[in-house]
Amino acid sequence: NAGVTQTPKFQVLKTGQSMTLQCAQDMNHNSMYWYRQDPGMGLRLIYYSASEGTTDKGEVPNGYNVSRLNKREFSLRLESAAPSQTSVYFCASSPGTSGWEQYFGPGTRLTVT
Amino acid sequence: ILNVEQSPQSLHVQEGDSTNFTCSFPSSNFYALHWYRWETAKSPEALFVMTLNGDEKKKGRISATLNTKEGYSYLYIKGSQPEDSATYLCAFPPRTGTASKLTFGTGTRLQVTL
Repeated sequence: NAGVTQTPKFQVLKTGQSMTLQCAQDMNHNSMYWYRQDPGMGLRLIYYSASEGTTDKGEVPNGYNVSRLNKREFSLRLESAAPSQTSVYFCASSPGTSGWEQYFGPGTRLTVT
Repeated sequence: ILNVEQSPQSLHVQEGDSTNFTCSFPSSNFYALHWYRWETAKSPEALFVMTLNGDEKKKGRISATLNTKEGYSYLYIKGSQPEDSATYLCAFPPRTGTASKLTFGTGTRLQVTL
């Protein structure tokens, strides 16, 4: 099992460009999450999907959209990138939402210039 | 936003030392408490999910306790080894709404030297 995979690993964007971060899990988990990690801020939840077909906002959703394409895949889209979105993005999944540990992908390092 | 506070921010111990750190959370709104281990250049890995007051969990040399009435959890590492060097995160979901919305602390960064 690959666990949680993310693509790309690194990306540099210019302000105003758009891109989609891809995430997939092969553990048959119901719930998936997107976090960003900034120095001194810890991990912050952007969006999550409790189950296939549902998505909901986390702590810092502005400037992002998500799609739960199917049970395996959960993508994060930046429509018009801004320098404030320079960060490391982690995708995670868990079997369910109640008291389950989350499994993290390797991260995508995004720089917006 | 619920506050999850961890202390100390960083810790430097020698191989063989035992150590512990604290995670504080609002006791009035408890659902579960997560501990994660995050090595540099890797991604966070779950250590424990604790749900009951008085819970104690153990994985090898690492153990954790939970006090939901006073709103804290301790993580202990017995006989620290260099491979224990990592940032240890705790996270807390609110009782109301979905338990998916983990709020993470900023972590305790542990460095173990020979």
